[in-house]
Amino acid sequence: EAQVTQNPRYLITVTGKKLTVTCSQNMNHEYMSWYRQDPGLGLRQIYYSMNVEVTDKGDVPEGYKVSRKEKRNFPLILESPSPNQTSLYFCASSSDLYRDNEQFFGPGTRLTVL
Amino acid sequence: AQSVTQLGSHVSVSEGALVLLRCNYSSSVPPYLFWYVQYPNQGLQLLLKYTSAATLVKGINGFEAEFKKSETSFHLTKPSAHMSDAAEYFCAVNSYGGATNKLIFGTGTLLAVQP
Repeated sequence: EAQVTQNPRYLITVTGKKLTVTCSQNMNHEYMSWYRQDPGLGLRQIYYSMNVEVTDKGDVPEGYKVSRKEKRNFPLILESPSPNQTSLYFCASSSDLYRDNEQFFGPGTRLTVL
Repeated sequence: AQSVTQLGSHVSVSEGALVLLRCNYSSSVPPYLFWYVQYPNQGLQLLLKYTSAATLVKGINGFEAEFKKSETSFHLTKPSAHMSDAAEYFCAVNSYGGATNKLIFGTGTLLAVQP
């Protein structure tokens, strides 16, 4: 089954404790991205990757890091989480950069930073 | 710059009634527009998309949307609501320019369906 998976689905942590949210897709997609969803703000892009070893900032990259060492994986790293990073995070992938292509979303990771 | 505005953060309809969710866009170039649905505790699922072909776009689960350039709108409709349609709906425009496939989302509309 074609899908985007994320782990963990739920995470409660404390300020400053490094964490990684994993994202993996099995569709051989080139393009992957991370979004955060906050009430009243919709979804905003954090980082994206056009292919292996090619990443760039989205609209809200502060406090986050990413890497793309393999085509299928695109982990999101919070090196020193803060309470304002409490949010619902989605990973998405798309076959390429064509603007009419569908993006496939993972099930989301709900992060709480105390 | 492109943007999307969804009017009404909460919409409530009776089962069997018409569903109308509003979306207006702003774009200096011909837009590519999408509607996504988010069921509780799930990721976003594509309902339909407009990519400059037919202005009336049919999607899954009986939903459709009409692109109206003169009104800069892309409203989502369904003739008869079902209880299973209760979810949050997001309108989005694909950004233009640069090497990115970024979606710019509206703030979402939570649809409640009353029995």
